[in-house]
Amino acid sequence: EDQVTQSPEALRLQEGESSSLNCSYTVSGLRGLFWYRQDPGKGPEFLFTLYSAGEEKEKERLKATLTKKESFLHITAPKPEDSATYLCAAVARAGNKLTFGGGTRVLVKP
Amino acid sequence: DVKVTQSSRYLVKRTGEKVFLECVQDMDHENMFWYRQDPGLGLRLIYFSYDVKMKEKGDIPEGYSVSREKKERFSLILESASTNQTSMYLCASRAQGTPNQPQHFGDGTRLSIL
Repeated sequence: EDQVTQSPEALRLQEGESSSLNCSYTVSGLRGLFWYRQDPGKGPEFLFTLYSAGEEKEKERLKATLTKKESFLHITAPKPEDSATYLCAAVARAGNKLTFGGGTRVLVKP
Repeated sequence: DVKVTQSSRYLVKRTGEKVFLECVQDMDHENMFWYRQDPGLGLRLIYFSYDVKMKEKGDIPEGYSVSREKKERFSLILESASTNQTSMYLCASRAQGTPNQPQHFGDGTRLSIL
């Protein structure tokens, strides 16, 4: 069975304090690994897709990386507006469905 | 930009009622999905559709049905609402092609069953 696990569940950061979120996956032949941002009361907003180990994607203060077993979302010098829940999800080569992790709630304090 | 619109942000219904949740996308996507999101359980797939009038069960289809009469619209139906169906419901769409295309989500409907 495909599984995606995110850690930590919650992260409190000071503004400017860089950190990383982890997403471990057990998927039969990864076809794609997705990162989403979700604000309270809203739907997930797509950030990145990673397809193969070694790949990296960047957007403003966010950088996503992928290995054969996990993905990291690095937040560099975060600002309060980066506060959100970050979700990762994986799709297997043989499947058509996304398997989501439980998310990491990030709070950035000024 | 992809726009996925869910008809209601908040909905309150009574036990036993038949409930319709509507979702419309404006990008001519073939694939559409319904999820529910609960604290501690994450997003769970209820049903998806890969074409008009086509549907497939997701991981938790019990108590739900769906309808896709037009390409842009995907409806979730709670046949006889129960309190354990109180949840945040999210609709998503995805372009045709391989499943490694991203899904794009609406802002959700928070449904309360009393």
